Formats: sequence, structure tokens, C-alpha cells
Amino acid sequence: DVKVTQSSRYLVKRTGEKVFLECVQDMDHENMFWYRQDPGLGLRLIYFSYDVKMKEKGDIPEGYSVSREKKERFSLILESASTNQTSMYLCASSLWVRGGSYNEQFFGPGTRLTVL
Amino acid sequence: AQSVTQLDSQVPVFEEAPVELRCNYSSSVSVYLFWYVQYPNQGLQLLLKYLSGSTLVESINGFEAEFNKSQTSFHLRKPSVHISDTAEYFCAVSPYNQGGKLIFGQGTELSVKP
Repeated sequence: DVKVTQSSRYLVKRTGEKVFLECVQDMDHENMFWYRQDPGLGLRLIYFSYDVKMKEKGDIPEGYSVSREKKERFSLILESASTNQTSMYLCASSLWVRGGSYNEQFFGPGTRLTVL
Repeated sequence: AQSVTQLDSQVPVFEEAPVELRCNYSSSVSVYLFWYVQYPNQGLQLLLKYLSGSTLVESINGFEAEFNKSQTSFHLRKPSVHISDTAEYFCAVSPYNQGGKLIFGQGTELSVKP
């Protein structure tokens, strides 16, 4: 079974702090994704990565950065946390997608971040 | 660009009643279609998907969805729901040739009451 783990289920931080959210997958997947989930808005893609040291902006990258130094690990960084970044953050991974094919994304349990 | 609209934010139903969760999408390119489910305090799980072939797809727990290209819809149905189906359901699309990105709808909370 694919396993995607996230470092914390719940996190409370203060405005202005630098925050790291970690995601690890154990199935040698090339692709990794970070989403945030907000009521009434569904999931929105923040960043994704196709390979080590590669990253692509998603739909809402402002205020976030990412790091992928190893294939199994994808980190989301909030350089200076703000209250409007209070949300549920979900990580996902999938095999590399070639051409017009599709490979299922597997999701972690999520990290509920509160910024005070 | 793509967008997904789930027409109902909350759907309350009684146990053993039928249910339909509606999903419409817009896209300038061909897409794959999905329904994901999120049970309380859990991550997302894939419920069913349409990639090609028969437009009617089914899940192992009795849900089905039909791809209607002309109406750009992918509605989810179940003829008789259980209490255990209480969850949030997300419709999503993945455009061809975009590396597997998913675009999600807003989600529908299905609440099954005894």
C-alpha cells in the first residue's frame, strides 16, 4: 500500500513565524503535490514537483515556497505565516505521468495549521 | 483553464434513500474525471474515476457516476445510502498532458440520518 505521511496532524503557530510542513511518501513516486483545503473552496493546488529539485507553481503559490531535496520528501514552507494561511494542508504523490496517461494521486492525512 | 462546480454544498438524506451529488466542469482540453471521498478526520480517498470507455463507472461500495460529455457533467449517485456514507465528496478533473494535476470542486457534505 502507498503511504503518504505528514509530519504533524495539528500545528499552531504565531503570525510572522517560519513554518515547515513535511511530507514523505514510501512508494518511489516521482510526483508530489501540496494542496490547501478550505470550507466552500475545496482543494486548491499550491505547488507540485515532478522530480528532485524541480518545482512548479500551482494555482495559489503566493506566500508559500517548497523544497524537494530527496525524492521521497516534499516540504511546504510558509516564510512568514499569516492568519489567512490558517487551513488544512494536504500532501499527495503519484507516479510520473507520461503523455496523456494518468496515475492516481494518493493523499496524506493532512495537517491542520492554525496561525494566531 | 479548467473549473469544477459542485452544485450542492450540503445534502442531507435519510438512510436507505437514493442520493445524487452533482458535478459540472468546464475545460478547453480533454480531461479525466474523478470523485474523491473524505471521511471525518481522514485524508482523501479515490472513490471512482472515468478515464475512457464506458461512460458509467462504479465503485466497490455501490456508488456510480456517469460522464456526460455534452452536458460536461459527472454526477455521483447511489440508490440506497448508509449511515457510513456520511462524508465530504469532491469532484475533480485532470487535464490531459498536464502532468496529472487535479482541479477540485468545492465539495459536497453528504449527511445520512437514521
